[in-house]
Amino acid sequence: NAGVTQTPKFQVLKTGQSMTLQCAQDMNHEYMSWYRQDPGMGLRLIHYSVGAGITDQGEVPNGYNVSRSTTEDFPLRLLSAAPSQTSVYFCASSRVLAGGPNEQFFGPGTRLTVL
Amino acid sequence: SQQGEEDPQALSIQEGENATMNCSYKTSINNLQWYRQNSGRGLVHLILIRSNEREKHSGRLRVTLDTSKKSSSLLITASRAADTASYFCATIRNSGNTPLVFGKGTRLSVIA
Repeated sequence: NAGVTQTPKFQVLKTGQSMTLQCAQDMNHEYMSWYRQDPGMGLRLIHYSVGAGITDQGEVPNGYNVSRSTTEDFPLRLLSAAPSQTSVYFCASSRVLAGGPNEQFFGPGTRLTVL
Repeated sequence: SQQGEEDPQALSIQEGENATMNCSYKTSINNLQWYRQNSGRGLVHLILIRSNEREKHSGRLRVTLDTSKKSSSLLITASRAADTASYFCATIRNSGNTPLVFGKGTRLSVIA
């Protein structure tokens, strides 16, 4: 199993550009989520999904869109990049057991710089 | 806002000593999880403890949960230089299918 994969590993954008960060998992996990990590801020939840066709907002959803058309894929779209979106982005997946998501499996991250 | 808050923010100890990190949270939870992150890498799951459990062990790791105080602690015994990393607690609220929310982490440095 490849686990959770993310592409690209690094990306530089100009302000106003759009792009999609890709995330895929091959463990048939129902739950997938996107986090951003900034120095001193820990991980902040952007969007999450409890299954195909179901998405919901996390703590910092503004400026980002997601969709979940398949169990395996959970892309994150930046609509119009801003310097404040410079961060490291992590995708994670897990089974959903009674009460919510279980052990999270994380991807290696995408380091995004917006100029 | 983040549900869990780790304490201390940073901890420096000698190899062989024990390291204790604490996590406090605000609302009732279904479970609490601890993760480790080595510099520049993704997070790795360490332990999950459910709200009806008080203590769990995994190798050199011991996690306790006190739901009355809304707090948890992670103890690493006989620490090694390889334990140098950031440690995060994450919680799931006890209300519906809610997401996992992370704290800001404790940065542990183990000096050889």
